[in-house]
Amino acid sequence: DAEITQSPRHKITETGRQVTLACHQTWNHNNMFWYRQDLGHGLRLIHYSYGVQDTNKGEVSDGYSVSRSNTEDLPLTLESAASSQTSVYFCASSEVQAPSTAFFGQGTRLTVV
Amino acid sequence: QKEVEQNSGPLSVPEGAIASLNCTYSDRVSQSFFWYRQYSGKSPELIMSIYSNGDKEDGRFTAQLNKASQYVSLLIRDSQPSDSATYLCASLNTGGFKTIFGAGTRLFVKA
Repeated sequence: DAEITQSPRHKITETGRQVTLACHQTWNHNNMFWYRQDLGHGLRLIHYSYGVQDTNKGEVSDGYSVSRSNTEDLPLTLESAASSQTSVYFCASSEVQAPSTAFFGQGTRLTVV
Repeated sequence: QKEVEQNSGPLSVPEGAIASLNCTYSDRVSQSFFWYRQYSGKSPELIMSIYSNGDKEDGRFTAQLNKASQYVSLLIRDSQPSDSATYLCASLNTGGFKTIFGAGTRLFVKA
């Protein structure tokens, strides 16, 4: 069965370190998204990609970057982790460009200390 | 002002009752609306979508949309303890492919 997987599921890192969260999907979807979810804020879009070599900033992109070298993967990098980036991160992929109907990964809980 | 507003709850209903979850949105050009269910510690799961005014039914779930009032609701009939979760409302601005999620309403169904 097709799926979307994130790794690691949990991570603790120190302030200032570079961190990369992995996202891999086997749906063969062109459209992939990264969200963060914080209490009281719902899901907020960080970055998204509509295909290989395409990346776009979402509403909370500062301090984050993504790259898309193949269809299956969209890794999210925190350039220099900050305590404000402690959150739960969800990757999603969709058959259409609108992320509303996307399938979500299991999430990564990141703690920056 | 948040573009999609939901009461955070918790909303508590007895088993077998109707749970009513509400959502308002501020962007008049929003065209499509979605309800996601998210169990604690899990990822969101799409359960309903609605695109036109009126009601849309799917099993025990009914989504209602009133674009004039900028209001979306989700009714869950014969609520079960397994329905206990956080329900996220989302709106889509078709022109910009911009999806906005509400913060979610926690629902607790008491057995």
